Amino acid sequence: DAKTTQPPSMDCAEGRAANLPCNHSTISGNEYVYWYRQIHSQGPQYIIHGLKNNETNEMASLIITEDRKSSTLILPHATLRDTAVYYCIVIYYNQGGKLIFGQGTELSVKP
Amino acid sequence: EAGVTQFPSHSVIEKGQTVTLRCDPISGHDNLYWYRRVMGKEIKFLLHFVKESKQDESGMPNNRFLAERTGGTYSTLKVQPAELEDSGVYFCASSQADGGTEQYFGPGTRLTVT
Repeated sequence: DAKTTQPPSMDCAEGRAANLPCNHSTISGNEYVYWYRQIHSQGPQYIIHGLKNNETNEMASLIITEDRKSSTLILPHATLRDTAVYYCIVIYYNQGGKLIFGQGTELSVKP
Repeated sequence: EAGVTQFPSHSVIEKGQTVTLRCDPISGHDNLYWYRRVMGKEIKFLLHFVKESKQDESGMPNNRFLAERTGGTYSTLKVQPAELEDSGVYFCASSQADGGTEQYFGPGTRLTVT
């Protein structure tokens, strides 16, 4: 079973920031937070991951609370192409392990 | 750099027939995974190869499913005999041996069993 909780759906206006929350209250000290997304009819796509520090890459930013029980994925300037299902996954790093997908958040970016 | 490729993109077969799905991972990736999504359900893990060895096959639903990765390169997933409940999208993913768990997914094979 997934160890995360996400809202089932969210809307965002094109050009605005999309902030996707995730609760992972049972996360252990060695588990990382990973975000993937699945655009319709495509395979899942890796976005970003982090342990306890905030992370940023060319796609998004990841903000993890100090107690690590929740995190937020931020798409700074959402476009229509960011419409997808976003998955928050917690997993041990560098064990090459399986990903456990929950239901994710269906983000709709509207013009 | 070529991504993960899967063949075929779609397959329609009758119940009781056999189907073989193929996955070509990114060159140099030792880890190869199979996942599937059946209608209305979440994406579920099937199994994980490290090179040619099965590291974790805890998600394989039953013995009608057989996965192989001869030579540690491409992998095949055979379903024999196929049942109606096997319909869904089968995804393959790969990752580097020491690259954490950033997995690169293929586009999937949509399997329809009639």
